[in-house]
Amino acid sequence: NAGVTQTPKFRILKIGQSMTLQCTQDMNHNYMYWYRQDPGMGLKLIYYSVGAGITDKGEVPNGYNVSRSTTEDFPLRLELAAPSQTSVYFCASSTAQGNQPQHFGDGTRLSIL
Amino acid sequence: EDKVVQSPLSLVVHEGDTVTLNCSYEVTNFRSLLWYKQEKKAPTFLFMLTSSGIEKKSGRLSSILDKKELFSILNITATQTGDSAVYLCAVESGGGSQGNLIFGKGTKLSVKP
Repeated sequence: NAGVTQTPKFRILKIGQSMTLQCTQDMNHNYMYWYRQDPGMGLKLIYYSVGAGITDKGEVPNGYNVSRSTTEDFPLRLELAAPSQTSVYFCASSTAQGNQPQHFGDGTRLSIL
Repeated sequence: EDKVVQSPLSLVVHEGDTVTLNCSYEVTNFRSLLWYKQEKKAPTFLFMLTSSGIEKKSGRLSSILDKKELFSILNITATQTGDSAVYLCAVESGGGSQGNLIFGKGTKLSVKP
C-alpha cells in the first residue's frame, strides 16, 4: 500500500548544484502536484500536472522544472540551487480536481548551503 | 488575491479538553474546503467540505462549513496526546489555477497529559 513515494528523504546541496526530487504514485492518479513548505508557513504550489505530458506552473515556480512522461512519475528538478530553496518539498496526487482529496508523500527535506 | 487564514496559530491544551480550530477564506470560485492533520511527515486527509451547514464527523473530530460567512471550524473533543499535530486548512479554488489548493499556515496543537 505504497501511495505516494518521495525520494530522497533528506538532502544537502551546495549553492549552484542541481538535483532531481523523485515522486511516484501507484494509485493511477491523473493529477499530481509539487508543494514546498517553509517553517511556520502553509504549503505553496510549485507545479502541477493533470496527466502525462501536461504540466503547468503553480504559485512559486521560479527556479524549478518538472516533467510528466508517465502517469506514475512526476520529478521536480532544481537547476541552480539557491539558499531560498531550502524547504520541505511535498508531492501529492489525486484522482481528479474537485471533490477528491489530494494524498501526500512523506516529503523531502532539502537544505542549500 | 486568494487567501486562507487559520487561527489560532498555536494552542496548548490538556488531555480531555475540547478545542475549536478556525479557518476563514477569501477565494474566487470556491469548490471545497479541506482539513489535513500533519504530524512529522505527510499531511493526512481529515475532511472535505463542499456544502454549507452539513457537519462531517469522524470519531472525536468534526467539522462544519459556513459558505455565507466564509469560514470553517474543526472541533476535537476529549483531546488525547496523539492529537498533537499541525492542522492545515486548504481551500480548492476553481479560478485560473484550475482547482488547486490554497493552504493556511496551520494551527499547531499541543495536547499535554
